[in-house]
Amino acid sequence: AQSVSQHNHHVILSEAASLELGCNYSYGGTVNLFWYVQYPGQHLQLLLKYFSGDPLVKGIKGFEAEFIKSKFSFNLRKPSVQWSDTAEYFCAVNAGNNYGQNFVFGPGTRLSVLP
Amino acid sequence: NAGVTQTPKFRVLKTGQSMTLLCAQDMNHEYMYWYRQDPGMGLRLIHYSVGEGTTAKGEVPDGYNVSRLKKQNFLLGLESAAPSQTSVYFCASSRPVSGNTIYFGEGSWLTVV
Repeated sequence: AQSVSQHNHHVILSEAASLELGCNYSYGGTVNLFWYVQYPGQHLQLLLKYFSGDPLVKGIKGFEAEFIKSKFSFNLRKPSVQWSDTAEYFCAVNAGNNYGQNFVFGPGTRLSVLP
Repeated sequence: NAGVTQTPKFRVLKTGQSMTLLCAQDMNHEYMYWYRQDPGMGLRLIHYSVGEGTTAKGEVPDGYNVSRLKKQNFLLGLESAAPSQTSVYFCASSRPVSGNTIYFGEGSWLTVV
């Protein structure tokens, strides 16, 4: 069964600092990869996704992520964070041919941005 | 455009009581899911459905039942609530195609005392 790990449980940054959140997955076949964001008290919203093509994908609000197949990684980056980026971030994998079943989420990384 | 709607949003139950969470989506999605979210554990799949009239178990199905009598609705039932089922429940839906995005409802906060 596939699994997703996220490197950090809680990240604290000051505004304008650069962000990188790690995500690794375990699955040897074709994958679709996602980053979702959950602002306090809200539901999960899609930040960006990768399913084919350029391994560097750009999402909303200045976020980007790079898929490195050899490392089974899909790290999320942002060059300069804002206070409004304070949220929980979830990496997710949708793998194989059984798309209905195989959406697996990581445990989440809580980002706190200090003004 | 409502997307995925869950009711109720908040509920407090006593141990042993039963309840049903209702999820409705207006995107004509084939797939629907129920997840629970607990601190430090991310989202865990309870049950899912790949179409009207079909359901399947996810990672943590014990203590829950589901039904999908209509394509747009997916019900999650707790037959005899336990404190361990205190959680935030998210319904979601998606299309069965590669690269599909999963869309979430706003969550239902359930406390079992």
